[in-house]
Amino acid sequence: EVQLVESGGGLVQPGRSLRLSCAASGFTFDDYAMHWVRQAPGKGLEWVSGISWNSGSIGYADSVKGRFTISRDNAKNSLYLQMNSLRAEDTALYYCAKGVGATTSSYFDYWGQGTLVTVSS
Amino acid sequence: DIQMTQSPSSLSASVGDRVTITCRASQGISNSLAWYQQKPGKAPKLLLYAASRLESGVPSRFSGSGSGTDYTLTISSLQPEDFATYYCQQYYSTPPYTFGQGTKLEIK
Repeated sequence: EVQLVESGGGLVQPGRSLRLSCAASGFTFDDYAMHWVRQAPGKGLEWVSGISWNSGSIGYADSVKGRFTISRDNAKNSLYLQMNSLRAEDTALYYCAKGVGATTSSYFDYWGQGTLVTVSS
Repeated sequence: DIQMTQSPSSLSASVGDRVTITCRASQGISNSLAWYQQKPGKAPKLLLYAASRLESGVPSRFSGSGSGTDYTLTISSLQPEDFATYYCQQYYSTPPYTFGQGTKLEIK
């Protein structure tokens, strides 16, 4: 059974940093691209970032480019999102999502339950 | 970047109705379109991909069609468990892989 478990969310002040993690199991992690998708309270889905199977291809939404960094550790079956210079508008539930192939151009067949990030002073 | 315009933003319907939700891309996306269903407090669930291919385990009352820039999700006969919010997502070529704004399907 595929499982994606996010962690690392919490309350953080504007301008500070936070690192999210996603622990994956139930599939061959290093065969697939992985993504972060977020959802602000009461709002729609926003794709944040994606990383190919070997970290050779990475993409970001314009809203986070230059502030967020996605990475993965295939030996640990883990996905990460380093979030710097956080803003109030980054407040959201952050989902880890599995792509269906090795490259980032993909839809998402499995999602975690999300970790909540709240940016507030 | 490719923009996805989804309509309507909300829809009221009754059990047994046939409903259609539309998604328009700002440029052609060659059927690189997925549809998701999200219920309150839950993660999104994949319904269809490649515009018209049904994900395993999804009931056949869900169908998708379209080409180029215009795509539709149809639910042939609404069931009580179908009342939810639906999103389209394009995954054509390079990032960002944008979602539509969502359609909230409510019980009439």
